[in-house]
Amino acid sequence: GQQLNQSPQSMFIQEGEDVSMNCTSSSIFNTWLWYKQDPGEGPVLLIALYKAGELTSNGRLTAQFGITRKDSFLNISASIPSDVGIYFCAGQLGNAGGTSYGKLTFGQGTILTVHP
Amino acid sequence: ETGVTQTPRHLVMGMTNKKSLKCEQHLGHNAMYWYKQSAKKPLELMFVYNFKEQTENNSVPSRFSPECPNSSHLFLHLHTLQPEDSALYLCASSLRGQGSWGTEAFFGQGTRLTVV
Repeated sequence: GQQLNQSPQSMFIQEGEDVSMNCTSSSIFNTWLWYKQDPGEGPVLLIALYKAGELTSNGRLTAQFGITRKDSFLNISASIPSDVGIYFCAGQLGNAGGTSYGKLTFGQGTILTVHP
Repeated sequence: ETGVTQTPRHLVMGMTNKKSLKCEQHLGHNAMYWYKQSAKKPLELMFVYNFKEQTENNSVPSRFSPECPNSSHLFLHLHTLQPEDSALYLCASSLRGQGSWGTEAFFGQGTRLTVV
C-alpha cells in the first residue's frame, strides 16, 4: 500500500521562529491535505492542495503541492504558542472513474512544541 | 466545530460488552468514514460509505461492524473487543464527486475507546 513519510517527527522551537515540515510518498496523489490535531480532538483541516505546483496560504501557513505529485511541504511563519499540536499530511486519490473523495493516506505526524 | 459530531467522547468497555459509536454530520456530505488512530501509528482508514453503501472495508476484523442508515449518520458497533483495540476512533465525512476540489474530509472530535 501507499506510505507517506513525514518529517521531522518532532520540533522544539522558540516563539517567533518559522517552521517547515514535509511529506514524501512512494506514489502520486491527486490532492494533498494538511491537518492539525490538538490533544483529545480530531484533526482539523488547515490547507487543501489540488494541483501539482500549487502554492496556497492560510494566514501564517503556506503549503505547496510538489511538481512530481509525490511530495508536499507546510511552512508556519512567526510561530506562536497556540501553534502547538500535531501536524499531519494526507494524500488523497481519486478512483479510476475520475471521482474523488476523502479516502486518505496519512503521514506519521510532526509534533510541534513552541516555547514562549 | 467542524460539523461532524461523535458520541460518546470517551468509552470504557469490557471485552464481553457490546457498545456502539455514533457519528452525525451536518455538512450535506455524501460519504462517511471511520478511521482508527492508535498511539505511534498513522491514522488508518477502516470503512468507507458512499451514499449509505459500504464501498470499502480495509481488512477490519468482524468484531467491528459499521452501519450507515442514511447519509448523515454513521455507527460503529463493537463486540468482543480486545485490549489492543483501544484507540481514538474518528469519524469523517466528505463530498464525493468528479474532480478533487471540495472533496476533503472533515473529522469529528473522536471517541477515545479503552477496552479492559
